[in-house]
Amino acid sequence: AQSVTQLGSHVSVSEGALVLLRCNYSSSVPPYLFWYVQYPNQGLQLLLKYTSAATLVKGINGFEAEFKKSETSFHLTKPSAHMSDAAEYFCAVSESLDMRFGAGTRLTVKP
Amino acid sequence: DTGVSQDPRHKITKRGQNVTFRCDPISEHNRLYWYRQTLGQGPEFLTYFQNEAQLEKSRLLSDRFSAERPKGSFSTLEIQRTEQGDSAMYLCASSSGTSGGYRTDTQYFGPGTRLTVL
Repeated sequence: AQSVTQLGSHVSVSEGALVLLRCNYSSSVPPYLFWYVQYPNQGLQLLLKYTSAATLVKGINGFEAEFKKSETSFHLTKPSAHMSDAAEYFCAVSESLDMRFGAGTRLTVKP
Repeated sequence: DTGVSQDPRHKITKRGQNVTFRCDPISEHNRLYWYRQTLGQGPEFLTYFQNEAQLEKSRLLSDRFSAERPKGSFSTLEIQRTEQGDSAMYLCASSSGTSGGYRTDTQYFGPGTRLTVL
């Protein structure tokens, strides 16, 4: 069975600082992994996805994530946070049609 | 391409009433999904359509819930005899089905319908 754990329901960084949002997965088959962002009162927008090609995946808005099989992790990073990055971020794993989302991490960016 | 749209954006109803939500996917997307998202949680899968066929239903989808996609385009989600526990954001997503497999298909989400049951 597939599942996702996001470590830290809230992360706060200063503008210009490194963003690191943690995601660990569990899957009985080679996983396909996704990061989505949700702004207030909006639907989810895909940031990036891992589909068994390169382990370092680059996404939109300067975000990237690295798939580490040995650690069952898919952490999301951005070198320099911007105020507009403040949002809710969700990690998800797809084992079948049933995509499983983590509980989300709310990112706050301080000026 | 105007994206996935959902109507209404907000619905307040009294317990016991029936409600229906509509989702219009991105045109020519043949896959459509419904999710439920409660406060502080990620979306939970409810059901999936391939064209007009409902191929997958979660155990979360009790018999009070019914979803249709009659012509393979828009979809409706009906909740009968609403309960306070049904209060949530209901999200619709669609995908093109052209990436080769279900698992790698990018899902595009609508803005959601927020249901409040009093």
